[in-house]
Amino acid sequence: EMQLVESGGGWVQPGRSLRLSCEASGFSVDDFAMHWVRQAPGRGPEWVSGIAWSSHNVGLAESVKGRFTVSTDKAKNSLLLQMHSLRAEDTALYYCAKGRKSGYDLGLPDFWGQGTLVIVSS
Amino acid sequence: AIQMTQSPSSLSASVGDRVTITCRASQGIRNDLGWYQQRPGKAPKLLIYTASTLQSGVPSRFSGRGFGTDFTLTITSLQPEDFGTYYCLQDFNYPHTFGQGTKLEIK
Repeated sequence: EMQLVESGGGWVQPGRSLRLSCEASGFSVDDFAMHWVRQAPGRGPEWVSGIAWSSHNVGLAESVKGRFTVSTDKAKNSLLLQMHSLRAEDTALYYCAKGRKSGYDLGLPDFWGQGTLVIVSS
Repeated sequence: AIQMTQSPSSLSASVGDRVTITCRASQGIRNDLGWYQQRPGKAPKLLIYTASTLQSGVPSRFSGRGFGTDFTLTITSLQPEDFGTYYCLQDFNYPHTFGQGTKLEIK
């Protein structure tokens, strides 16, 4: 049975860093594209990042380019999101999601975790 | 970035009604579009991918159409469990972008 469990969220001051992790079970994160999607309180979801094909295909939202980095940890079968220079507008529930596709294309997220909450505030 | 414009932003309908939600892309995206349902406190759930393909396990009352810039999600014979907010998402290029959502209320 597939499962995605996010961790690493919490409260952090503006300008600081945080690393989110998403542990997968029931499949390998290297066999499928993986996504991060966030949702600020009361707002719609926002696609943040995607990674596919052993990290040869990586995409980031403009709002996080230069600050966030996505990667996978094959040994831990996990998806990672390293976030630097955090801003108040990064406050959101961060979802990890498996992509529909294997191979180079990212495809759509088709299986989601329950999310980890990041609050950026002084 | 490609903008996805959904309409209406909200609607109220009765059990058994037919409901259609529209999503328009700011440029052509072929059929690289999906539809999601999100219930309060839950993660989005994929209903439709490649504009018209029903995700496994999704009831057949959900259907999608469209190509290029204009897309629709139709729910025939609305059921009480269909309440929630519906979003389109394009995966034609980076960054992937969501529509702003359509909140569906069951009368």
